[in-house]
Parts: sequence; C-alpha cells; structure tokens
Amino acid sequence: EAGVAQSPRYKIIEKRQSVAFWCNPISGHATLYWYQQILGQGPKLLIQFQNNGVVDDSQLPKDRFSAERLKGVDSTLKIQPAKLEDSAVYLCASSASGGGVDLVNEQFFGPGTRLTVL
Amino acid sequence: GENVEQHPSTLSVQEGDSAVIKCTYSDSASNYFPWYKQELGKGPQLIIDIRSNVGEKKDQRIAVTLNKTAKHFSLHITETQPEDSAVYFCAVTNTNAGKSTFGDGTTLTVKP
Repeated sequence: EAGVAQSPRYKIIEKRQSVAFWCNPISGHATLYWYQQILGQGPKLLIQFQNNGVVDDSQLPKDRFSAERLKGVDSTLKIQPAKLEDSAVYLCASSASGGGVDLVNEQFFGPGTRLTVL
Repeated sequence: GENVEQHPSTLSVQEGDSAVIKCTYSDSASNYFPWYKQELGKGPQLIIDIRSNVGEKKDQRIAVTLNKTAKHFSLHITETQPEDSAVYFCAVTNTNAGKSTFGDGTTLTVKP
C-alpha cells in the first residue's frame, strides 16, 4: 500500500511570509496527525483529526497556524505569518483509528517537510 | 499533561553488542507504548510496541519491557548491526484520549 505523502519536501521562506504544507494519508485511515519536530527533539503534536473533525488542537498556535482536512482525506497545514522559531520538520501521520484500547493505534509517518525561516 | 523522559540521548556501541534505551512517563492512564526508528531524512517508523496489559514483547533482535508500577519501559536491541544506527524515539499514548507524547530521542551509533 502507498505510504503517507507530503509536499513540499523542503521550503525556505523569510519571516512574516506565509507557507502551506500538504498531506495525503494512507487510504482509509480515519485519523490524521500533524507534528512539529524541532532539531534534536521528538515530534510534538500540533493537531489531530478524526475524519474531518478536530480531536485535539491544544498545542496548535492558533494565532498563526491553521489546519483543515476537507472531506476527511487529505489535509493542509498553514503558517501565517512565519517566525524564526517555526523552523522545523513538519510531519504528517495517519492511523486506522484514533482511540480505544483494543483498536489499532499504529501511526504511519510521511517523510516530512523541512521548513527554514530566515 | 504527560511528561516523557528518554535516556540516554546518545549511545555508541560496537557491532554485536546490545543497546538499551529507557523511557519514563508520568500519566498512569497511559496504556500504549510504541518505539520508533527515524533515519536521516525520513519520518519515524514503528519498530515495536507494547500495551499496558503485557510486561514484555520480543520481535527477533528487538524487545520491549514495561514496568507499569514504576512507569518506565525500555527498548532492547541485541546483536546490533551498523544498519541499526538511527535515532530512536519512545512514545506514550493514552488511547482513550488518543494523544501521543514522544521522548526527545536517542541517537544510536553502531560501530563496525
């Protein structure tokens, strides 16, 4: 089966500019996650979707970050305006389900988008 | 929220030796504990996981042990090979809340 697709792979912008990332999850996966991975750290969850509804966006800086998952399939993450501290790899992941002890929780990650803000 | 600590941050071993990475967590409601391997330029990939009703799980050269009382779990890699060199992340999940928290990673280097 095809994996999680992300684009672009790399993006360089100047601070205060806008940027958007795209993710296409594994077909049939109900849950989609966006993570921010700063160099030398583990992934930090920004937002989690279950189908096209938001499950958790408690760590999303809503003054500058926004995300949507139209029709419960692919998703876009936007930053406007970007700051220097937004430089990171943005990872998208999907899983067949998002909760429940007996359900499958394995997350499949895309290759990420490396963002550099100058 | 959940607090995950991962140690060591770097680990260097000779080929054929064993490697052990440990994670501690704070939320006793957490019930799913995956380990991921991340190679340069790629996203993390699940290598093994364990649920809270199991104390140990093994898959060939990789094993994970869980101590729920002490709130820690460990990744064990035996007979290490150069291709095991990568960054390893633990994660802690409360599947009822559906949220995962990752450790900060361990860079494993296996010297031939």
